[in-house]
Amino acid sequence: AQTVTQSQPEMSVQEAETVTLSCTYDTSESNYYLFWYKQPPSRQMILVIRQEAYKQQNATENRFSVNFQKAAKSFSLKISDSQLGDTAMYFCAFMKRRAGNMLTFGGGTRLMVKP
Amino acid sequence: ETGVTQSPTHLIKTRGQQVTLRCSSQSGHNTVSWYQQALGQGPQFIFQYYREEENGRGNFPPRFSGLQFPNYSSELNVNALELDDSALYLCASSRPETEVPTPNDPNEKLFFGSGTQLSVL
Repeated sequence: AQTVTQSQPEMSVQEAETVTLSCTYDTSESNYYLFWYKQPPSRQMILVIRQEAYKQQNATENRFSVNFQKAAKSFSLKISDSQLGDTAMYFCAFMKRRAGNMLTFGGGTRLMVKP
Repeated sequence: ETGVTQSPTHLIKTRGQQVTLRCSSQSGHNTVSWYQQALGQGPQFIFQYYREEENGRGNFPPRFSGLQFPNYSSELNVNALELDDSALYLCASSRPETEVPTPNDPNEKLFFGSGTQLSVL
C-alpha cells in the first residue's frame, strides 16, 4: 500500500513571493505518477501539475514547478509569483501505473496568499 | 470547469437512512471513480467503475455500493448511514490506461466534479 504525507497543515505567503509545499510518499512501486491538486472553496479538485516517475526532469507548468527526488521519495511543489487566486487547499497524490486510475492523497496543505 | 457534474450539491440525512449520489462523467470518459473527503482531510478512494463493472475498491464496507450505466454516468449508494459518513463525496472521470491517450487528455488525468456535501444527523 502507498502512503502520502504532507507535513505542513498550513502555510502563508505574500503576494508575488515564492512558496514551497512539501510532500513525501512511501511505495515499493517503481512505475507511478505523482500529482499536485488544488482545491479552492468551490471544492472542485483541479490538477496543478503531474510527474511521471520514470522521468528525471522535473515538471513545470507556468508558475508551478516540482522538485522530484525519487530516491528520497520526495515531491515538493514550488509556486512562484504567488497570486491571491492561489489561495486554496493543495493535495499531493500518488497513482500506481497500470493499476487503474486510483489516487492516494495526502492530508493537504492550506495555502493563504496575503496581499 | 470540467464536464463532470454531480447531484445533488448538498444533502441532509438521518442516521440509518439510505442515500444515492449521482455523477455524469466527462464526454469520452468510461471510467468513473468515487472519493470520500472528510472535513480537513484528503480524499479517500471508495471504488472505481469501468464499462459498468467495479474494477477497484478501497477500504470501505459493503454498505457503500455503486452502479455505472451504459452512458457511463454513475451512482454511489450508501445504506444504513452513520454519523461518520458525513463528508464531501467527489466523483472523477478519466480514460482507462488501456485506451489511446490524447495530448490534452492523458489517461492518468482525472477530471473531478464539485462534489456532494452529505450531512448525517
